Amino acid sequence: AQKVTQAQTEISVVEKEDVTLDCVYETRDTTYYLFWYKQPPSGELVFLIRRNSFDEQNEISGRYSWNFQKSTSSFNFTITASQVVDSAVYFCALSEVYSGAGSYQLTFGKGTKLSVIP
Amino acid sequence: DTGVSQNPRHKITKRGQNVTFRCDPISEHNRLYWYRQTLGQGPEFLTYFQNEAQLEKSRLLSDRFSAERPKGSFSTLEIQRTEQGDSAMYLCASSLLDRGDQETQYFGPGTRLLVL
Repeated sequence: AQKVTQAQTEISVVEKEDVTLDCVYETRDTTYYLFWYKQPPSGELVFLIRRNSFDEQNEISGRYSWNFQKSTSSFNFTITASQVVDSAVYFCALSEVYSGAGSYQLTFGKGTKLSVIP
Repeated sequence: DTGVSQNPRHKITKRGQNVTFRCDPISEHNRLYWYRQTLGQGPEFLTYFQNEAQLEKSRLLSDRFSAERPKGSFSTLEIQRTEQGDSAMYLCASSLLDRGDQETQYFGPGTRLLVL
């Protein structure tokens, strides 16, 4: 069965500091997808990134970057020069392909609550 | 361009009552998921629809829960004889497979249920 572990429950940083959120996953499949979502206090999950298991290239999008390493089953997320608006709960998620029913249901970690202090 | 919408946003009910939530997916999305999120946890999968067909259900979906997606558009999730343990945020997500048979699920704002 698949599993996602986000060991950091809460992190506090001062504005403009860099912060890395850790994600470790377990799966028996060779084809899978990894995601990060942001959940601000309003509650809506906002999609940030999707990676497939065949693409280990790191990605950068503005102040956000992601480091995918299959050797350690990790998909870490770094925010550079953090801002108060980055304060939210961040979830890492994994999906596998269920060929029978076609579902790509997501398995989420417990989330990391990030507080950016001005 | 509208995203996924859910109604109501909040629901308070007494134990034993029935409640129904509605989800309107992004219009061209034929895939729809329901998740439940309790305090301090990540969302957990409940059920999946492809068009109007309910193709997968989690063991979390007890007999008191039923979901429908008539005509493959909006979906409803009904909980009968609610219990205090049903208190949670119920999230709906929709998606469309891309050319590479991959998808990204886009979530609605959720319905927060409190059972007294």
